[in-house]
Amino acid sequence: AQKITQTQPGMFVQEKEVVTLDCTYDTSDPSYGLFWYKQPSSGEMIFLIYQGSYDQQNATEGRYSLNFQKARKSANLVISASQLGDSAMYFCAIHGGGADGLTFGKGTHLIIQP
Amino acid sequence: GAGVSQSPSNKVTEKGKDVELRCDPISGHTALYWYRQSLGQGLEFLIYFQGNSAPDKSGLPSDRFSAERTGGSVSTLTIQRTQQEDSAVYLCASSPSGVPYNEQFFGPGTRLTVL
Repeated sequence: AQKITQTQPGMFVQEKEVVTLDCTYDTSDPSYGLFWYKQPSSGEMIFLIYQGSYDQQNATEGRYSLNFQKARKSANLVISASQLGDSAMYFCAIHGGGADGLTFGKGTHLIIQP
Repeated sequence: GAGVSQSPSNKVTEKGKDVELRCDPISGHTALYWYRQSLGQGLEFLIYFQGNSAPDKSGLPSDRFSAERTGGSVSTLTIQRTQQEDSAVYLCASSPSGVPYNEQFFGPGTRLTVL
């Protein structure tokens, strides 16, 4: 079984600040992938970033980076230079090696304030 | 190119009726997933198809739910004798292969309301 815990139900952040969204996970799979998705109010799920459990370096995609601490089972998303358009729900998810889908956390509702 | 499409975008039905939700994955994607998003349960995985292979149905919430995928492409999620607790947004996603670590591309979802 896999589990994702996102402890921040909501966050208010000033525009241009750095945002860190917390994610911890639990899995019995020796190999797994960690994902972050953004869901704006329109409802679409937008892929942001992926980290493999055996990747040596933290993943980065533009303003997004993933602070992966395997020993602590932590995969926090860092958004640099936050923008008003970053306001959305953010979901952390894990995928093991089995024939199943993503296991999502409950999400964090991020609101960027001008 | 075209993304994942789902139809209908909204469906309102009466309790006890059957509904069919359709998903058209991205062309060439062999893996297809169904999820459900509701206020109470968050995002839940329902079922996964790899090509035409028989899916693992253990994630489906009840035996009223079934899914099929024809020709390794279009998929239909059917809910029989709908109940109010079935009200949710049903999301479909596809990915290039069955390798678990591929990004999943999501469709816009079908919002199901059971009265």
